[in-house]
Amino acid sequence: LAKTTQPISMDSYEGQEVNITCSHNNIATNDYITWYQQFPSQGPRFIIQGYKTKVTNEVASLFIPADRKSSTLSLPRVSLSDTAVYYCLVGDFMIKAAGNKLTFGGGTRVLVKP
Amino acid sequence: GAGVSQSPSNKVTEKGKDVELRCDPISGHTALYWYRQSLGQGLEFLIYFQGNSAPDKSGLPSDRFSAERTGGSVSTLTIQRTQQEDSAVYLCASSLRAGGSHEQYFGPGTRLTVT
Repeated sequence: LAKTTQPISMDSYEGQEVNITCSHNNIATNDYITWYQQFPSQGPRFIIQGYKTKVTNEVASLFIPADRKSSTLSLPRVSLSDTAVYYCLVGDFMIKAAGNKLTFGGGTRVLVKP
Repeated sequence: GAGVSQSPSNKVTEKGKDVELRCDPISGHTALYWYRQSLGQGLEFLIYFQGNSAPDKSGLPSDRFSAERTGGSVSTLTIQRTQQEDSAVYLCASSLRAGGSHEQYFGPGTRLTVT
């Protein structure tokens, strides 16, 4: 069971880069790392996913060191609309024998100020 | 295309009553997940289904909680003898297949209030 730890909150300003680190010391070999964004009164929405090294898409980058015990979500040039809660998710449902558990971090509340 | 839908959007019930929450996954998605989110809290995994396989119930908080998935599609989460601590938003998600490598698509949730 990969327990995840994230900062509770972060403040930033428009146009800045925001980096959120998630710790997952007990990550298993087959576990993927996925980040979700959640706005109030909505379900979470997928942002990015990775297994190792670096992944980049049109909205974010995900940095994963070689030991995979942490990951950092990077949001470039944030805007006010990026104010949300960001969740780190680690797990893989395919390993039944290990007792499946998909673990979300507690979430990081990001506030982007003008 | 249609996303994950959930019904009802809001449910208020009296303590001790049973409730049923419904989830319609995205067509073609074989995996379906239920989560619970208490006010201001993170996401708590409850149960997931992969196709017609027996569900993984490891996250269910008590034996008052159960879930079914009929025909590998629609799912119902049932809470018997509801308690006030069951008040939360219940979120459903689906993915192409179960597995951490597959993106989950979430529904809008059902807000359950137990009075």
